Amino acid sequence: GAVVSQHPSWVICKSGTSVKIECRSLDFQATTMFWYRQFPKQSLMLMATSNEGSKATYEQGVEKDKFLINHASLTLSTLTVTSAHPEDSSFYICSASSGTGASFGNGTRLTVT
Amino acid sequence: QKEVEQDPGPLSVPEGAIVSLNCTYSNSAFQYFMWYRQYSRKGPELLMYTYSSGNKEDGRFTAQVDKSSKYISLFIRDSQPSDSATYLCAMSRSGGYQKVTFGTGTKLQVIP
Repeated sequence: GAVVSQHPSWVICKSGTSVKIECRSLDFQATTMFWYRQFPKQSLMLMATSNEGSKATYEQGVEKDKFLINHASLTLSTLTVTSAHPEDSSFYICSASSGTGASFGNGTRLTVT
Repeated sequence: QKEVEQDPGPLSVPEGAIVSLNCTYSNSAFQYFMWYRQYSRKGPELLMYTYSSGNKEDGRFTAQVDKSSKYISLFIRDSQPSDSATYLCAMSRSGGYQKVTFGTGTKLQVIP
């Protein structure tokens, strides 16, 4: 149980375009989901907390207008990287609380050319 | 100073060895401690979840928490090549997985 599915697993896009990443809890309802960013050899950095039916809470330094988060249902949260630039290239991971600890998606590797 | 410090490694050990992975932290408010395993290009997988000080064992894995020293450890007995991955420690102030702070991860390689 407690499976989180993230899609796509990798995406390449051109600079200036937008990319949407989906995070789904498959066998449980997640009122709260979390979006992380991970650079090579660095720890997971929390970007924002996504709450079903309300606005996301962004961490300091994360541009809310650039990283749009929507949590429309108890099983789906989306992260849209708007007007992507090469410096947005990274590994994005979502997670959802499953009671104790958390379940993570397998991440999305974004490359902006 | 980072809230959570973890040696990035890499750590190479022969198959069958006992592996010791450690993290130190500075925030005494942390109450819940976790260890995750992350394979390349995959999301982290929860290995151990402990509350407050003490030991917890699960198969070949043992997690130790010493809150007085702000030090946590993960021991892997009889290490296997399949244990080769990056291990991240993580901790939070409250349960139910609210804001969690991660270490940078230690890359482990178990050599056959």
